[in-house]
Amino acid sequence: EDKVVQSPLSLVVHEGDTVTLNCSYEVTNFRSLLWYKQEKKAPTFLFMLTSSGIEKKSGRLSSILDKKELSSILNITATQTGDSAIYLCAPSSPNAGGTSYGKLTFGQGTILTVHP
Amino acid sequence: DARVTQTPRHKVTEMGQEVTMRCQPILGHNTVFWYRQTMMQGLELLAYFRNRAPLDDSGMPKDRFSAEMPDATLATLKIQPSEPRDSAVYFCASGPGARDYGYTFGSGTRLTVV
Repeated sequence: EDKVVQSPLSLVVHEGDTVTLNCSYEVTNFRSLLWYKQEKKAPTFLFMLTSSGIEKKSGRLSSILDKKELSSILNITATQTGDSAIYLCAPSSPNAGGTSYGKLTFGQGTILTVHP
Repeated sequence: DARVTQTPRHKVTEMGQEVTMRCQPILGHNTVFWYRQTMMQGLELLAYFRNRAPLDDSGMPKDRFSAEMPDATLATLKIQPSEPRDSAVYFCASGPGARDYGYTFGSGTRLTVV
């Protein structure tokens, strides 16, 4: 059975702090790993990672994949109150034929709270 | 911005009643997913469709849940009969189908079964 573990489950920081969120996965037929941010409603896409060691960046957020260790991290520098959300990682695990794009297994998420 | 529309936004029903949740995918998206989110289990995949055909519904309790796409603009998820343990937020997501990114989630239906 596919398994995704995120840590920590929750994190409380102050504005300006830097945080690192962790994701470990065990899935069959791994193809890519996606990070999502979920505020009050629907998850919104942050990154997709397919290659080990190549950092993806978007503003103060960055992420990297380690396929040897079956893990990924999401870094947020100079956190702001608007970063408060649940951060979800989700490896893509297509079927044996590799045709089922977008089939994701989500972790429990890390609840990040940023205080002013 | 194109969006995935889910109705109803909230539903409170009594145990044993039938519940139908609807999803209008983004025009042109040929792949639709149904997820369920609870505090205990997180986001779980229930079923997904490509070009209206079900590809995988192994995450769905077959005895009470059913998912269909009667046409390209409508996906439905039904629970009959509903049970308190079905209380959750149900999300629909649609996407292009040919890659792992680019999927848009709807705002969800919050279901409470009492």
